[in-house]
Amino acid sequence: ILNVEQSPQSLHVQEGDSTNFTCSFPSSNFYALHWYRWETAKSPEALFVMTLNGDEKKKGRISATLNTKEGYSYLYIKGSQPEDSATYLCAFTRLQAGTALIFGKGTTLSVSS
Amino acid sequence: EAGVAQSPRYKIIEKRQSVAFWCNPISGHATLYWYQQILGQGPKLLIQFQNNGVVDDSQLPKDRFSAERLKGVDSTLKIQPAKLEDSAVYLCASSLRSPETQYFGPGTRLLVL
Repeated sequence: ILNVEQSPQSLHVQEGDSTNFTCSFPSSNFYALHWYRWETAKSPEALFVMTLNGDEKKKGRISATLNTKEGYSYLYIKGSQPEDSATYLCAFTRLQAGTALIFGKGTTLSVSS
Repeated sequence: EAGVAQSPRYKIIEKRQSVAFWCNPISGHATLYWYQQILGQGPKLLIQFQNNGVVDDSQLPKDRFSAERLKGVDSTLKIQPAKLEDSAVYLCASSLRSPETQYFGPGTRLLVL
């Protein structure tokens, strides 16, 4: 069974707080780990794609790390802003042609001003 | 560059009725995916096309769901007849090839009464 687990399920922070989420995934046959941000009534937006163990990606105040040996990834948001409020989805793909994204349930972030 | 287009954005039908969704991927993207996202869960793949051929439809409930991508460009997903449990967001995504970053449309929100 291929399960992607995300925690926490939801999170409420104040503007300016820093926060982080966890994504765990099966480490066998790993190919890539994806992070998406999904705001209400909009399209899910790709944040990062990571493939290498130890990889780190950064986009503005958002960064992510990857550990493929133990099967986890962290997403960090520094100095949260109200516009960061969204559901953050992680998904992975396997070393297998034609394999689509396998998603977790997401972490819903709410940032209050 | 235009993103992935989907229509309609919202649809309300009664159980046992039929419904169809349309998706136009990013120009040049060979791979097209349909995902179903039920409230509280992560998106789940229904079907994956490579050009106009089906790569993976193992999770498509074929007794009621059908999809086609006849000319290898846009695609339609049909449900006939709909059940209450089909209430979900139906997301279309496309990528240049599999497995690469997938770009999502805004989704169609279906409510079956």
